[in-house]
Amino acid sequence: KAGVTQTPRYLIKTRGQQVTLSCSPISGHRSVSWYQQTPGQGLQFLFEYFSETQRNKGNFPGRFSGRQFSNSRSEMNVSTLELGDSALYLCASSLLTAATNEKLFFGSGTQLSVL
Amino acid sequence: GENVEQHPSTLSVQEGDSAVIKCTYSDSASNYFPWYKQELGKGPQLIIDIRSNVGEKKDQRIAVTLNKTAKHFSLHITETQPEDSAVYFCAATGGGADGLTFGKGTHLIIQP
Repeated sequence: KAGVTQTPRYLIKTRGQQVTLSCSPISGHRSVSWYQQTPGQGLQFLFEYFSETQRNKGNFPGRFSGRQFSNSRSEMNVSTLELGDSALYLCASSLLTAATNEKLFFGSGTQLSVL
Repeated sequence: GENVEQHPSTLSVQEGDSAVIKCTYSDSASNYFPWYKQELGKGPQLIIDIRSNVGEKKDQRIAVTLNKTAKHFSLHITETQPEDSAVYFCAATGGGADGLTFGKGTHLIIQP
């Protein structure tokens, strides 16, 4: 069974631009969560989608948004990029919603650099 | 919200010895505690997890213990091997709106 797939693997943007990251969950998994990983703050929860609905949201500004499609694939968007948005963005999928404490399976992430 | 503290930040052990990583959590409502291993250039990989109705769980060389009263849980790796070298993260959640709350990670170095 293929794992969680994230594209692109690397991305370089400049301040003020916007970016869209993509995530394909494990086949059959209906929940997709997004996390930001930085050396200073570690792994922080962004949001979770289940059946095309945002179920939970972390403490991030409104510039961070996401969506989920009917095939469970998910995208996250960051608008008006800031230098501090440079991070590894990780997507994780689970069979059901993470709120039921299902196991999360992570992709390899998208490394975003904002110049 | 939940707060997870993880120690030590770096742990160096001789190959074949045991390694122990400890975490504490703050929210008594947390009931699920996974451990992840992250290798360079890869995403975190779930290696073992434990739920609050269990005090200990073992999978080959890896074991996790949970003390709900003290709000701490630990990862034990026995007979360490070079491939165990990685960054290990503990996490906790009560299944609420905050997702998984992770510790800051432990860089485990296995010395040959």
